[in-house]
Amino acid sequence: SYELTQPPSVSVSPGQTARITCSGDALPKQYAYWYQQKAGQAPVVVIYKDSERPSGISERFSGSSSGTTVTLTISGVQAEDEADYYCHSTDSSGTVVVFGGGTKLTVL
Amino acid sequence: QVQLQESGPGLAKPSETLSLSCSVSGVSITSFHWSWVRQPPGRGLEWLGYGYNTGGSSYNPSLESRVTISLDTSKNQVSLKLRSVTAADTAVYFCARVVSSSGYEYFDYWGQGTLVTVSP
Repeated sequence: SYELTQPPSVSVSPGQTARITCSGDALPKQYAYWYQQKAGQAPVVVIYKDSERPSGISERFSGSSSGTTVTLTISGVQAEDEADYYCHSTDSSGTVVVFGGGTKLTVL
Repeated sequence: QVQLQESGPGLAKPSETLSLSCSVSGVSITSFHWSWVRQPPGRGLEWLGYGYNTGGSSYNPSLESRVTISLDTSKNQVSLKLRSVTAADTAVYFCARVVSSSGYEYFDYWGQGTLVTVSP
């Protein structure tokens, strides 16, 4: 079955830039999406179609894609950004939805 | 304002059928597709399937033999049935609205989730 691979954890100091990667063989063909999930809450989409930002999401969040890897970048990290982040995409056929395993962002 | 609220029994016995509802307000369910996603305690997200506003559905292949998602337009609700549950099905279950267009689909509104524990 198709898998998306994320690092389990990323740590940054306030004000620095955090980069969270997601790798998958179908990513050159399928869009990726990113969700932020704070403890005890539902996920919130922060990036869609690889690099588009929904209205209401801080400009500090951006997305990019290169080959089989997509990257969520959070600039000027703040304490409020501490959360789990999940990438989402589909397999090469576009019919099976897959989530990455999640990355815990810790703000030091 | 779009709101989703999951409801259903918080406890299920092994081998039984888990049944959950998602009540949607602020939008007609006929205007969008809908999905269920679950999250075992302390673990990641797992997609269960889609319920399409056209009446069809599609499911995660790993669960396809046990899961049914349907839309009740009279109640503006989305339902989930998961048969023959085991302890591995213990999770928080979320319903989510699907934003879709040519070439892309993602989840823009989510319910708060409901915890279902499978235990004798």
